[in-house]
Amino acid sequence: EPEVTQTPSHQVTQMGQEVILRCVPISNHLYFYWYRQILGQKVEFLVSFYNNEISEKSEIFDDQFSVERPDGSNFTLKIRSTKLEDSAMYFCASRASGGPRETQYFGPGTRLLVL
Amino acid sequence: SQQGEEDPQALSIQEGENATMNCSYKTSINNLQWYRQNSGRGLVHLILIRSNEREKHSGRLRVTLDTSKKSSSLLITASRAADTASYFCARWGTDKLIFGTGTRLQVFP
Repeated sequence: EPEVTQTPSHQVTQMGQEVILRCVPISNHLYFYWYRQILGQKVEFLVSFYNNEISEKSEIFDDQFSVERPDGSNFTLKIRSTKLEDSAMYFCASRASGGPRETQYFGPGTRLLVL
Repeated sequence: SQQGEEDPQALSIQEGENATMNCSYKTSINNLQWYRQNSGRGLVHLILIRSNEREKHSGRLRVTLDTSKKSSSLLITASRAADTASYFCARWGTDKLIFGTGTRLQVFP
């Protein structure tokens, strides 16, 4: 069964450093998402992406964040200058064009720790 | 807030017992979804119930939806230790999912 994959599974970085989180969505999917979950809290939407542009972004997704689809398979989230409060689990999700609008498939997550 | 609220926040039961988790929301919905998250892991889609449905089953899972009360419940029957996880309801909001606060379920063998 096809699945969304994410790398790395864990990342530790120093405050102020740039990080890039990578996702490989399911191959025939065209809608991509990033969510995050601070430890012990609920899952929060960050950004949605379709047709090489951002569809919607939350207040969390400020100028320090960017997303990119650099090739036909990867979908990345970049945090330019990490802050302590960026420590969280980051989930990538994708859904198929033409499929049920509501069904998103989630990756296993990248746990980011900012020191 | 548009977020769902779930109760209880935590639930501990013995294997074989049933577990019921509730979700309330504030705005109208097209559907409500339930996800499971094992500790520190990814989100697994469990079931989706549409606004014109009142009840839906999938294996040991039973979901109900009461749009008049803006609430849904997830029932896990004959629970197993492997059901230990956090369970979240989520509703569709434009082009994103809006998750509830979750219920942490602990099933003791």
